[in-house]
Amino acid sequence: DARVTQTPRHKVTEMGQEVTMRCQPILGHNTVFWYRQTMMQGLELLAYFRNRAPLDDSGMPKDRFSAEMPDATLATLKIQPSEPRDSAVYFCASGLPVGDNEQFFGPGTRLTVL
Amino acid sequence: SQKIEQNSEALNIQEGKTATLTCNYTNYSPAYLQWYRQDPGRGPVFLLLIRENEKEKRKERLKVTFDTTLKQSLFHITASQPADSATYLCALDRGGYNKLIFGAGTRLAVHP
Repeated sequence: DARVTQTPRHKVTEMGQEVTMRCQPILGHNTVFWYRQTMMQGLELLAYFRNRAPLDDSGMPKDRFSAEMPDATLATLKIQPSEPRDSAVYFCASGLPVGDNEQFFGPGTRLTVL
Repeated sequence: SQKIEQNSEALNIQEGKTATLTCNYTNYSPAYLQWYRQDPGRGPVFLLLIRENEKEKRKERLKVTFDTTLKQSLFHITASQPADSATYLCALDRGGYNKLIFGAGTRLAVHP
């Protein structure tokens, strides 16, 4: 059954290190979203793509975060350099802008920056 | 700026009763509103969508209402079961391309 996959599921790193999170959207979905979830801020949209083109990354700190879709089966979110305040769960979601506009979420990457 | 409010405190109810969760929003007129369920350690799962021209939507034991005058959506689970215990998030369309803004969620605990 089709699912969004994310790797790694957990990542512990030290401040200043580069972190790369990967997402494989559901085959055929043409919109991909990156979210960050924390207890304080809830679920926040960082960036989203349609047909691999970045449409909006206004939710992302531009100086350290970058999001790309090298191909239709892979989306990446990179943080360089990482900071303790980046500790959160990062979710990728994919969908089709038809019908109920349902977004399918991956299991998330839990990032801890020490 | 756009703001979504959901009951911040957990809702505790007895099995078999109807759970009612509230989602209020300000400074926006969304074309649709969605409800998601999130279990601990997992990503949100879509439950229902209701559009601005719909008053009510049902799916099995779930019912959602949408009052664009009050800027409020109510989410009901009838005949609740312990398996319904989770956090429920409402999300509003931000205009185009499935872009959503999520509420903080309400934790529901259904006790046997």
